[in-house]
Amino acid sequence: DAMVIQNPRYQVTQFGKPVTLSCSQTLNHNVMYWYQQKSSQAPKLLFHYYDKDFNNEADTPDNFQSRRPNTSFCFLDIRSPGLGDAAMYLCATSSHTGYSNQPQHFGDGTRLSIL
Amino acid sequence: AQKITQTQPGMFVQEKEAVTLDCTYDTSDPSYGLFWYKQPSSGEMIFLIYQGSYDQQNATEGRYSLNFQKARKSANLVISASQLGDSAMYFCAMKGNTGKLIFGQGTTLQVKP
Repeated sequence: DAMVIQNPRYQVTQFGKPVTLSCSQTLNHNVMYWYQQKSSQAPKLLFHYYDKDFNNEADTPDNFQSRRPNTSFCFLDIRSPGLGDAAMYLCATSSHTGYSNQPQHFGDGTRLSIL
Repeated sequence: AQKITQTQPGMFVQEKEAVTLDCTYDTSDPSYGLFWYKQPSSGEMIFLIYQGSYDQQNATEGRYSLNFQKARKSANLVISASQLGDSAMYFCAMKGNTGKLIFGQGTTLQVKP
């Protein structure tokens, strides 16, 4: 089945130690998104790629970076995680930003804990 | 600016009963899409149903239907014959000209046996 896969499902890192979360997709979608979701809150968009074109949200901290080496893969790098970065990180894909009828398809998420 | 409002932080429903989750929205875009997602406690975000702003008929997907009232700017989700597995957080979301999904704050639904 075509899908969005996030690894790992759970990630524990130390305060200040860089961490990378990964996302892959077999849907061949040209748009990939990263969201941060804290407990009992709505997902918050961090950034998205339209093909190789990177789009950062204005309030995304510089601590968060992303890479998309090819259509299938996208990575979220947190350079120096703080306690406030503990959250669920969701990756999503869609076929085109311009068409409002295209849903975003989400992965299962990576739950990040900071020690 | 676009905004989604879900006024019910938590809801209870008896198993096999129907339940309506409320969603109102605000946008100045002439064309937009409305989505409902389900998020169980395990965390994955599951797409349930879509309604386009120009669709004449309310969307239905199995036990899910969307009660779309454009003049009132509401897009309520109706779940018929609730099951224990329906217990989850439900998010209403909108996508307009920016292509970004704007989420509501969510409603936690608990189905009682």
